Amino acid sequence: GAVVSQHPSWVICKSGTSVKIECRSLDFQATTMFWYRQFPKQSLMLMATSNEGSKATYEQGVEKDKFLINHASLTLSTLTVTSAHPEDSSFYICSAHAQGGVNYGYTFGSGTRLTVV
Amino acid sequence: GESVGLHLPTLSVQEGDNSIINCAYSNSASDYFIWYKQESGKGPQFIIDIRSNMDKRQGQRVTVLLNKTVKHLSLQIAATQPGDSAVYFCAENIDNQGGKLIFGQGTELSVKP
Repeated sequence: GAVVSQHPSWVICKSGTSVKIECRSLDFQATTMFWYRQFPKQSLMLMATSNEGSKATYEQGVEKDKFLINHASLTLSTLTVTSAHPEDSSFYICSAHAQGGVNYGYTFGSGTRLTVV
Repeated sequence: GESVGLHLPTLSVQEGDNSIINCAYSNSASDYFIWYKQESGKGPQFIIDIRSNMDKRQGQRVTVLLNKTVKHLSLQIAATQPGDSAVYFCAENIDNQGGKLIFGQGTELSVKP
């Protein structure tokens, strides 16, 4: 159990375009989803926390107008990188959290490699 | 606090040896800790967790030790195998902060056959 599906696994886009990344909890309902970004050889940096039906809470320094997060249901959250630029190239990872479940604490998606050219 | 911007330290061990990976966490209010394994190009994979009311927990070939006095966490891997080669992260959670999980710096483990 506790599977999180993240799509796409990789994407290449042109500078100035927008890219949407989906994160789905397949066999449980996620009360909260988290979005991280990771640069090569570095740790995961938390970008934002999203709760179903409410606005996301962004970490300090993360532009909410650039990284749009929608959490429309208990099984789906999306991250849209708007007007992408080469410096947005990174590995984006989502995590779904279900409170109360045994070790459902945090289940991670497989990540999305974004390359902006 | 977060460790963004720092590059990963590395640990190289011989196959069959025991590995010890260390982590210093930042917040004394953290009450739940998790060790993750991350292989190249993949998401983090849960290894073992521990709550702040414990100081040791054992799994299959892995042991986590928690020292709250010095805010230190360690992961011990017994009889390390080539398949254990990966980056290992500790993560801390503060229950009253919306459940968010903050990752430590990470250590790259390389196992020589």
